[in-house]
Amino acid sequence: DAGVIQSPRHEVTEMGQEVTLRCKPISGHNSLFWYRQTMMRGLELLIYFNNNVPIDDSGMPEDRFSAKMPNASFSTLKIQPSEPRDSAVYFCASKGTGGLAGGFFTYNEQFFGPGTRLTVL
Amino acid sequence: RKEVEQDPGPFNVPEGATVAFNCTYSNSASQSFFWYRQDCRKEPKLLMSVYSSGNEDGRFTAQLNRASQYISLLIRDSKLSDSATYLCVVNSAFSGGYNKLIFGAGTRLAVHP
Repeated sequence: DAGVIQSPRHEVTEMGQEVTLRCKPISGHNSLFWYRQTMMRGLELLIYFNNNVPIDDSGMPEDRFSAKMPNASFSTLKIQPSEPRDSAVYFCASKGTGGLAGGFFTYNEQFFGPGTRLTVL
Repeated sequence: RKEVEQDPGPFNVPEGATVAFNCTYSNSASQSFFWYRQDCRKEPKLLMSVYSSGNEDGRFTAQLNRASQYISLLIRDSKLSDSATYLCVVNSAFSGGYNKLIFGAGTRLAVHP
C-alpha cells in the first residue's frame, strides 16, 4: 500500500495567491482529516470527512479556507487568498472504520501523509 | 486551558537512560489515549495505545490514570533512534457519535551518545 499521498510536498507562494493542497487517502479508508502544524500552535485539526461528507469543520480558521472531498479517493484543501500566517505544514490523514463493539469504541489508527510544507511570502 | 498538555522539553538524556513523559487532559469523557511519535520534518506515527491497566511494548510502557486525567510514557534503555517528538493524543467524542483526535504540543527527546 502506498499510504496517504499528498501533493505538492513543498509550496512557496506569494501573499494573495490561491493555494490548493491535494490528498489521496489509503484505499478503503472512509475517514479523512486535514491538519495544520506550526511551532506556535502544534497540530490542529482543520476538517474531518466521513464517507466524503464534512463532519466537523470547526477548526477551519476562516472563510479563506475551504475543503472538498468529491470522492473516496481524493480531497483538496484550498486557501484563497493566502496570507503569510498560513505558512505551516499541512497534513492529511485517513483511517478505516471504527465503531462500537461490546459497548466500547474500537479505534482504528489514523495514518498521516508526508505533509505539504507551505510558505507564503 | 489546552485540552491536552505536555511538557515541551527538550529532554536531553544519554544512551541507556530511562526517561518518562507525562501528559494531562481536560475532558473527563475522553475514551481512548495514544502516544504518537514524530521525527523531525516527518509525519506523526502511532507509537502505542494507552490502556487503563497499563501496557508495555518492548522498552516502552504507557500508563493511564483516569481519576487524575493523566497519561505517561516510559522509555527504558534509550537509544539514539528514540530521538523524536512524542505527542500525547486523546480521542474525544463530539456530536453525532463521531470522535476526533486531540494532539498535545509534543515533548522533544534528544538521546546522545
